[in-house]
Amino acid sequence: GNSVTQMEGPVTLSEEAFLTINCTYTATGYPSLFWYVQYPGEGLQLLLKATKADDKGSNKGFEATYRKETTSFHLEKGSVQVSDSAVYFCALDPSGYSTLTFGKGTMLLVSP
Amino acid sequence: DAGVTQSPTHLIKTRGQQVTLRCSPKSGHDTVSWYQQALGQGPQFIFQYYEEEERQRGNFPDRFSGHQFPNYSSELNVNALLLGDSALYLCASSSISGLAGEINTGELFFGEGSRLTVL
Repeated sequence: GNSVTQMEGPVTLSEEAFLTINCTYTATGYPSLFWYVQYPGEGLQLLLKATKADDKGSNKGFEATYRKETTSFHLEKGSVQVSDSAVYFCALDPSGYSTLTFGKGTMLLVSP
Repeated sequence: DAGVTQSPTHLIKTRGQQVTLRCSPKSGHDTVSWYQQALGQGPQFIFQYYEEEERQRGNFPDRFSGHQFPNYSSELNVNALLLGDSALYLCASSSISGLAGEINTGELFFGEGSRLTVL
């Protein structure tokens, strides 16, 4: 079946540090890959996506590259801010019907 | 432009009871999906409705059922509640195509959820 594995959190960083949150997946075929973010007190929202191998999704300084050979979609940001503190979810869409399989989420805490 | 709205925001039920949760999708969206998010876990797909029919279903028992109305709003019903049904229930809306007619796969707009506690 389809599954997503994320690194466990919380990830604790100081402001301006480099961020990596690892994500690997198992799926048949060629799924689309996503990162969703849940800020405190808010609903889940799409952060970035990639729909085919070697695509790079980017938004708000965050990037992730669809690596088919390693079945990975790691999230990176060069310099985190306190406002980036949130829970980050990696997800895949195996069918093209927007029926997502999510990882367990990784909490990021950024201190000043 | 109103986003996805869900009601109620919180509710408490006892084992064996039934519950109905409601969702209004974002304006312009025709597809509604429901997810269950247990504490400390990622959302799990329950089912998806499009054109008033269940189009896709995840690995949930028949106790979980739903409906979509002509105005695209949706309900999630859970019968014979179990303690393990305690969770945050998320509604997500989407459109089969973007403004330019492209396939808008995977961009879901989520509501803030209905938190169900079963005692």
